Amino acid sequence: GNSVTQMEGPVTLSEEAFLTINCTYTATGYPSLFWYVQYPGEGLQLLLKATKADDKGSNKGFEATYRKETTSFHLEKGSVQVSDSAVYFCALEGGFQKLVFGTGTRLLVSP
Amino acid sequence: EAGVTQFPSHSVIEKGQTVTLRCDPISGHDNLYWYRRVMGKEIKFLLHFVKESKQDESGMPNNRFLAERTGGTYSTLKVQPAELEDSGVYFCASSLAGAREQYFGPGTRLTVT
Repeated sequence: GNSVTQMEGPVTLSEEAFLTINCTYTATGYPSLFWYVQYPGEGLQLLLKATKADDKGSNKGFEATYRKETTSFHLEKGSVQVSDSAVYFCALEGGFQKLVFGTGTRLLVSP
Repeated sequence: EAGVTQFPSHSVIEKGQTVTLRCDPISGHDNLYWYRRVMGKEIKFLLHFVKESKQDESGMPNNRFLAERTGGTYSTLKVQPAELEDSGVYFCASSLAGAREQYFGPGTRLTVT
């Protein structure tokens, strides 16, 4: 079946550091891929998405590229801010409309 | 435009009691989904409504869980009787017909003691 694997957290960084959160997936066919973010005390928000191989999703300085050859969708940001502290979830939608999520990665950014 | 809303935001009940969670999707969204996150693990799919019909309920854990969607508008998820392992955060999401992008509510944190 479909599954998503994310790197374990927490990821602790200083402000302005480079961020990578790894995400790999297993799926039949050609899923759509998503990154969702949950800020403290809030619900899940869609951060970015990619619907086919080699697509790059981007939003708020975050980027992720759909890599079919490595079945990956790693999240990157060049310079993190304290306000980026949150839990990040990688997810896929494999054609049956239900999302399959990873376990989430907590990011802590210190000033 | 109002987003997905959920009520209550937090519920604490004793084992054996009944709890009903409510979700109001974005107006015009035919698709409504329930998910839950237990003990900091991955968020797992519970079920999917298209309008008032259950499209997929393969994620419902057992028959203590009952979901309804009245008239294709809001949805309720009832847990009866609640068990300790039902504790977690229950998320609702909605989407337009044919769209893959789902919009999530803030979640209901359920604590069963």
